[in-house]
Amino acid sequence: AQSVTQLDSHVSVSEGTPVLLRCNYSSSYSPSLFWYVQHPNKGLQLLLKYTSAATLVKGINGFEAEFKKSETSFHLTKPSAHMSDAAEYFCVVRVISNFGNEKLTFGTGTRLTIIP
Amino acid sequence: DGGITQSPKYLFRKEGQNVTLSCEQNLNHDAMYWYRQDPGQGLRLIYYSQIVNDFQKGDIAEGYSVSREKKESFPLTVTSAQKNPTAFYLCASWGIGTEDSYEQYFGPGTRLTVT
Repeated sequence: AQSVTQLDSHVSVSEGTPVLLRCNYSSSYSPSLFWYVQHPNKGLQLLLKYTSAATLVKGINGFEAEFKKSETSFHLTKPSAHMSDAAEYFCVVRVISNFGNEKLTFGTGTRLTIIP
Repeated sequence: DGGITQSPKYLFRKEGQNVTLSCEQNLNHDAMYWYRQDPGQGLRLIYYSQIVNDFQKGDIAEGYSVSREKKESFPLTVTSAQKNPTAFYLCASWGIGTEDSYEQYFGPGTRLTVT
């Protein structure tokens, strides 16, 4: 079985300070991991993805995430928050089993608020 | 530009009526998905289709139906049997993206309100 846990449902940071959104996963197989962002009443947009290449992944808008197998984590970070970063963020794990079955599991989301 | 379109953006229906949500993609992707999003619950998979004329139930398929007669189209019908149909519905497809690896593409969503 696989699962993904976003450790914080809501994070608030001041503009210009670092952002950390935490994500832990569990999987019996080698996972692919994704972070998506969703602005109000919009679809989801891919921020970045890990697919077993480099463990430090750089995405759009200055975000990056590091895959740590020993900690089963894939935390999302950004050095300096901008007002436009205010949105909901989803961590997603994709696994393909030895039987060829594919499953995509979404975290429950973290709402990021930026304080002016 | 390639992408996924969902229409309409907002939809209102009376209880007891069936309603069909449209999803069209021009990305030439084989796999398409329907998700339901409720506050604080993330996304839950309703149905998915990996190829034309074939589809599978997701985690919350009860009260919903789909068809996949064309590669480009994957409409979702919310039937009167769905007990809590008011939600934000997202259509997605799965295919090759940046860096030649697979990723999921999402439409802009349809917000359905049933009263």
